[in-house]
Amino acid sequence: EVQLIQSGAEVKKPGATVKISCKVSGYIFTDYYMHWVQQAPGKGLEWMGLVDPKDGETKYAEKFQGRVTITADTSTDTAFMELSSLRSDDTAVYYCTIVGPSSSFEYWGQGTLVTVSS
Amino acid sequence: AIQLTQSPSSLSASVGDRVTITCRASQDVTSTLAWYQQKPGKAPKLLIYDASTLEGGVPSRFSGSGSGTDFTLTISSLQPEDFATYYCQQFNSFPITFGQGTRLEIK
Repeated sequence: EVQLIQSGAEVKKPGATVKISCKVSGYIFTDYYMHWVQQAPGKGLEWMGLVDPKDGETKYAEKFQGRVTITADTSTDTAFMELSSLRSDDTAVYYCTIVGPSSSFEYWGQGTLVTVSS
Repeated sequence: AIQLTQSPSSLSASVGDRVTITCRASQDVTSTLAWYQQKPGKAPKLLIYDASTLEGGVPSRFSGSGSGTDFTLTISSLQPEDFATYYCQQFNSFPITFGQGTRLEIK
């Protein structure tokens, strides 16, 4: 069974950095790109970027470029999303997700709530 | 970036109703479009991929159609568990984008 288990909720001050993890099991970590999606409270879904665990290559949405870093650790089958220079509008649930054989986001983590507040 | 516009943004319907949600892309995405269902506090769930292919385990009352720029998600007979928010998403080009969502509420 494919599982993506994310780290727990975080509370950060404006200007700080948060790093969320996503540990996978049930499939070969390097077989699928790992994506991250942001969902602000009461809002829709926004794609942030992806990492290819095979070689660490990344692609980011323009909105987050320069503030987001997505990495993958093949020794622990874990992906990470780091977001810096946090501001109040970064308060959101962040999901990791993979594109499966369907070529769509078949599997999702449970989400990690990040609250940015002074 | 390719913009996806869903309509309506919200919809009230009754159990047993037939419901259609549309998704219009700002440029051709061929058939690289998916539909997701999301319930409060939960991650989105894939319903339809490649515009019209039903994901395994998804009830057959859900169907998708369209290609190019115009797509629809149809629920043939609403069940109580279908009241949720629905999103379309395109994979044709980066950045991957989602529609703004359609909130389906009980009438």
